[in-house]
Amino acid sequence: DTGVSQDPRHKITKRGQNVTFRCDPISEHNRLYWYRQTLGQGPEFLTYFQNEAQLEKSRLLSDRFSAERPKGSFSTLEIQRTEQGDSAMYLCASSSQAGSNQPQHFGDGTRLSIL
Amino acid sequence: KQEVTQIPAALSVPEGENLVLNCSFTDSAIYNLQWFRQDPGKGLTSLLLIQSSQREQTSGRLNASLDKSSGRSTLYIAASQPGDSATYLCAVGIGTDKLIFGTGTRLQVFP
Repeated sequence: DTGVSQDPRHKITKRGQNVTFRCDPISEHNRLYWYRQTLGQGPEFLTYFQNEAQLEKSRLLSDRFSAERPKGSFSTLEIQRTEQGDSAMYLCASSSQAGSNQPQHFGDGTRLSIL
Repeated sequence: KQEVTQIPAALSVPEGENLVLNCSFTDSAIYNLQWFRQDPGKGLTSLLLIQSSQREQTSGRLNASLDKSSGRSTLYIAASQPGDSATYLCAVGIGTDKLIFGTGTRLQVFP
């Protein structure tokens, strides 16, 4: 069990550029979640996958955001035409199955800074 | 809409004290409640998960309780240590296990 891995750890980019983040969940975890956390706040749910299917998206996920999990393993989160309000920590989590007895395990996040 | 509140927002205590962190939620229809620890610039570390049918969970010096009917949970930390300094987040699991988080309690334990 190597834990949830996220890449890159930090990303600095100019407004208007596109960025892509990657998340590798704990192996054999079939559920994968993306959250966004701004300074001083708790994480906010963005979207989640069960295997390769994206089953729910938050209203926070505007049409500039897209997430994929093509083979039910790693996932990518892309932000197009970045805005300063996109600056945040993007956290990925995974869990082993649906149900109430499995905790979500989080990665260390990708911190995005928009200049 | 589910809302999660944590009190206090910040806490500073001397080493050795026993602590209680509070979490409240507005909708009792939850699947579980999870307590996390977050160190500065890091991700979240799961501390305890309480299923909706349970009343409490314990791990080492940590004990978490859940009262679904009143919409409350507490995290009890015994004999606090400087290494316990971090932000503690409470989150309720709803629907398809997505988590709704509070804003956290920032804890500092000084020697």
